Amino acid sequence: AQSVTQPDIHITVSEGASLELRCNYSYGATPYLFWYVQSPGQGLQLLLKYFSGDTLVQGIKGFEAEFKRSQSSFNLRKPSVHWSDAAEYFCAVAWRGQNFVFGPGTRLSVLP
Amino acid sequence: DVKVTQSSRYLVKRTGEKVFLECVQDMDHENMFWYRQDPGLGLRLIYFSYDVKMKEKGDIPEGYSVSREKKERFSLILESASTNQTSMYLCASSFDRTLYNSPLHFGNGTRLTVT
Repeated sequence: AQSVTQPDIHITVSEGASLELRCNYSYGATPYLFWYVQSPGQGLQLLLKYFSGDTLVQGIKGFEAEFKRSQSSFNLRKPSVHWSDAAEYFCAVAWRGQNFVFGPGTRLSVLP
Repeated sequence: DVKVTQSSRYLVKRTGEKVFLECVQDMDHENMFWYRQDPGLGLRLIYFSYDVKMKEKGDIPEGYSVSREKKERFSLILESASTNQTSMYLCASSFDRTLYNSPLHFGNGTRLTVT
């Protein structure tokens, strides 16, 4: 069965530091890839998506993600974290004809 | 912007009650989904629908049913609520099943507590 892993359950960074959240997926076919963010008590908001083409994609709020086919990874990055970025982040993968599969999420805490 | 509205943010129900969670989307999306979210387990798909009056089971349908009488509305029903159904419930919609890259748009969630 297809699966999505996010190895880090909880990450803490200082405000202004860089951030990388990891996401790996199983299964051979190239999927469609998404990152969502969830603020406390809220639904999920789409940050960015990758379908094809340039493997570095830009999203909202200054986030970017890079697709690496050889590593089956789609890591999320931000060069300088803001306190308002504290939230939970979910990687999601969709294969053709299949429903979305979500990772377990990574909770980000930001130190002042 | 797509708006997915869930009728209640918080609900408290007693064991054995019949519970209705309502979801409405305003963008004429074909697909609608119900997920539950629990700490450490991420999002798990309960039911989904690709068309009016159509429904399909997701990964954890036991104890739930759904109704889609109109395109914009998708209801989740707990026939007899149990304490293990205490959770955050998220409704989502997407444009078209044939567009595999169609992202999900989520509501703000309903936090259900069953006592």
